[in-house]
Amino acid sequence: DQQVKQNSPSLSVQEGRISILNCDYTNSMFDYFLWYKKYPAEGPTFLISISSIKDKNEDGRFTVFLNKSAKHLSLHIVPSQPGDSAVYFCAATPNTGNQFYFGTGTSLTVIP
Amino acid sequence: ETGVTQSPTHLIKTRGQQVTLRCSSQSGHNTVSWYQQALGQGPQFIFQYYREEENGRGNFPPRFSGLQFPNYSSELNVNALELDDSALYLCASSPRHPGRDNEQFFGPGTRLTVL
Repeated sequence: DQQVKQNSPSLSVQEGRISILNCDYTNSMFDYFLWYKKYPAEGPTFLISISSIKDKNEDGRFTVFLNKSAKHLSLHIVPSQPGDSAVYFCAATPNTGNQFYFGTGTSLTVIP
Repeated sequence: ETGVTQSPTHLIKTRGQQVTLRCSSQSGHNTVSWYQQALGQGPQFIFQYYREEENGRGNFPPRFSGLQFPNYSSELNVNALELDDSALYLCASSPRHPGRDNEQFFGPGTRLTVL
């Protein structure tokens, strides 16, 4: 039962343009959400997070938006750079416990 | 500061065998979590250890077991290996008490192939 879903396995974007990666979740107990970035042969690295009390969190070129009513979050990267090419995982955790639930990932390719 | 390291990098086993994977947490981190990432899937939480005690477990059978040592390094043991156990096994450490706000630092993973 996949509680966190990333329905786009891949995305290609031109350098300098905006990349939008989407994530949907089903568990209404999730109240903290994270994005991780993964390069080949490396472990995922934390990118940005958002608590359910917010609807937006920004860190440099990266912004995460949360729509609780739609159970949807998105990661915006502006402007996209070739070094952003990686697999991006969305993750969520409930307000009880410490288990993180990951999506299946979206492979982003930024074309120079 | 040394990051999270895992050994071995790759491993090939046959069905029914047992395997032990190792993880050294980042300096100062007392919490270790283990994840299984099958091909084309996201990481799935196996269990977490905090100060040498299991502190949460995902939907994995008892043949997946673990240990955390006084230096906070950890082992993942899998008995009676099945073909579906073939995956990348990731270890992640985090500082202080486990919590959502504590960033997890992942190791590069161990690629296990079961034939």
